[in-house]
Amino acid sequence: DSGVTQTPKHLITATGQRVTLRCSPRSGDLSVYWYQQSLDQGLQFLIQYYNGEERAKGNILERFSAQQFPDLHSELNLSSLELGDSALYFCASSVGQGYRDTEAFFGQGTRLTVV
Amino acid sequence: AQSVSQHNHHVILSEAASLELGCNYSYGGTVNLFWYVQYPGQHLQLLLKYFSGDPLVKGIKGFEAEFIKSKFSFNLRKPSVQWSDTAEYFCAVNAHSNYQLIWGAGTKLIIKP
Repeated sequence: DSGVTQTPKHLITATGQRVTLRCSPRSGDLSVYWYQQSLDQGLQFLIQYYNGEERAKGNILERFSAQQFPDLHSELNLSSLELGDSALYFCASSVGQGYRDTEAFFGQGTRLTVV
Repeated sequence: AQSVSQHNHHVILSEAASLELGCNYSYGGTVNLFWYVQYPGQHLQLLLKYFSGDPLVKGIKGFEAEFIKSKFSFNLRKPSVQWSDTAEYFCAVNAHSNYQLIWGAGTKLIIKP
């Protein structure tokens, strides 16, 4: 168990809908990262938050947004869902502002299926 | 732009064979280097990491990796693989100039019993 909790584990929804994925980082970790893992695109970095502020942005679509709350949990919102958004969404957390000198711990992921 | 290349997308080995998975990155500055493993149905977990010092890094489960700066490489090795090593292996690089971790495409390793 990495200490990073993601809910829900599985999500099935229809095209055009909106979903929210939740991540609770390890106790004491200030950074949260979101990743998308799909068969065709591999592991893609989406976005990083550090202590409530957006720190880095990767290949995140405009239909997707995220935030980190004062209690440091994070939510990834996916809207106007398309079939191609079906993927495993991972959250990771680390102590510091980036991966510099720190290890990132990954959650079990949320498997999103868009039908 | 920074990139990480893992040349072998699929590797099939028999138990007790030796393993070497290649990882090359493109970035001229100081980097941190990581190998993560994802066992079937599980989350990614750290195998080993290099920040500085001895370029030969030992990780969990008998894995090691060697950082060769002149070749921009961080290859993962294990002298004798086991069936339980069947997993997907990801190389990742963090340039000291930014906070992002750049990932390779992953190598799926299958060990035949």
